[in-house]
Amino acid sequence: GENVEQHPSTLSVQEGDSAVIKCTYSDSASNYFPWYKQELGKRPQLIIDIRSNVGEKKDQRIAVTLNKTAKHFSLHITETQPEDSAVYFCAASGPSGYSTLTFGKGTMLLVSP
Amino acid sequence: DAGVTQSPTHLIKTRGQHVTLRCSPISGHKSVSWYQQVLGQGPQFIFQYYEKEERGRGNFPDRFSARQFPNYSSELNVNALLLGDSALYLCASSLGIADQETQYFGPGTRLLVL
Repeated sequence: GENVEQHPSTLSVQEGDSAVIKCTYSDSASNYFPWYKQELGKRPQLIIDIRSNVGEKKDQRIAVTLNKTAKHFSLHITETQPEDSAVYFCAASGPSGYSTLTFGKGTMLLVSP
Repeated sequence: DAGVTQSPTHLIKTRGQHVTLRCSPISGHKSVSWYQQVLGQGPQFIFQYYEKEERGRGNFPDRFSARQFPNYSSELNVNALLLGDSALYLCASSLGIADQETQYFGPGTRLLVL
């Protein structure tokens, strides 16, 4: 089945810095890669996603890149703000192209003022 | 438009008991998936239902079961509860089950097994 590895597990940055979180996946049939933000005690919320026919997608301060050959994808947050502090999860559709998601273990992002 | 709703929000049970968790998807969504999120981990897939049929099952024991109703709401049942079943149970809805479908999560039910 699909396996998703996520790094780093924790990330501390100063306000205004950029943050990068990286994920790798194992199932070459996966073709949908969402990123979720989860604040303490709340539901995971979709912040951006990318489909396999696209290499990069941006939405204001957030961007995601996908390298299907290497089977890895990354989340980039620029000009970080304290309210960006949360746990971020990457996920990949799978197994075998179905819409169920396999998640990474999460990255706790702490943005210090 | 209401998002995905789940009930109850919190639940405390003892080992060996049974629990039923409920989920209502976003209006118009026909697929419901269940995930278990243990503290400090990412959500782990349990079941996916579409049009009242099970379309996918994760690596969970037979103590876990689910069903979907004609109005697309869903129940997750867990029998013979173990301490290790303590977790946040998340429901996600999507329009269908095609790959690349966006899944929207509910607030979850936090289950504590004592």
